Amino acid sequence: QVQLQESGPGLVKPSQTLSLICTVSGVSIRGGSYYWSWIRQRPGKGLEWIGYTSDSGTADYNPSLQSRVTISLATSQNQFSLNLTSLTAADTAFYFCAGSGKRMLKHWGQGILVSVTS
Amino acid sequence: DIQMTQSPSSLSASVGDRVIITCRASQSISSFLNWYQQTSGKAPRLLIYAASSLLSGVPSRFSGSGSGTDFTLTIGSLQPEDFATYYCQQSYTVPWTFGLGTKVEI
Repeated sequence: QVQLQESGPGLVKPSQTLSLICTVSGVSIRGGSYYWSWIRQRPGKGLEWIGYTSDSGTADYNPSLQSRVTISLATSQNQFSLNLTSLTAADTAFYFCAGSGKRMLKHWGQGILVSVTS
Repeated sequence: DIQMTQSPSSLSASVGDRVIITCRASQSISSFLNWYQQTSGKAPRLLIYAASSLLSGVPSRFSGSGSGTDFTLTIGSLQPEDFATYYCQQSYTVPWTFGLGTKVEI
């Protein structure tokens, strides 16, 4: 079955760049018309869609984050990544990766807590 | 951005109760509406997609309906494992947006 797993630092300093990786198993990230998303959830709060990339590498982002975010494929490792620049405390959140056909978020990683603190 | 408004924000119910959660979009989203269940400390789980299609493996006590701007999630007979927070999400247009959630408590 399709499984996703996030990896990356749990602590990042303000103004730095967050880099997270999502490793996908059970399906090729370049096949089958999949869309690969990142979503975040601030502690105790609701869900915020960050953006997605298609299996061909075309990306779409939330305008609220667009100037700071990049989502890209690393096809040789069957992974996709999230880069978020100029971090502030407001970026402290659980970050989830997810994948599916377009229009839904079917398969999710377990999430990774990222704290932005000096 | 399309705003998604869920109600109620929380509710108390008992095992066996029928529970209805509503979600309203700030503009028409056709049937591009999904429902997720999240239990504490876990990732959300897709239950319903395209407003009324039950994901394979999801118990049949869950059902969804609606189109345009008004949608409902119904849990036919609440089970102990259903106590969780439920979110609606529109996938009509980017940015995809979620409701603030409905917490179903005992």
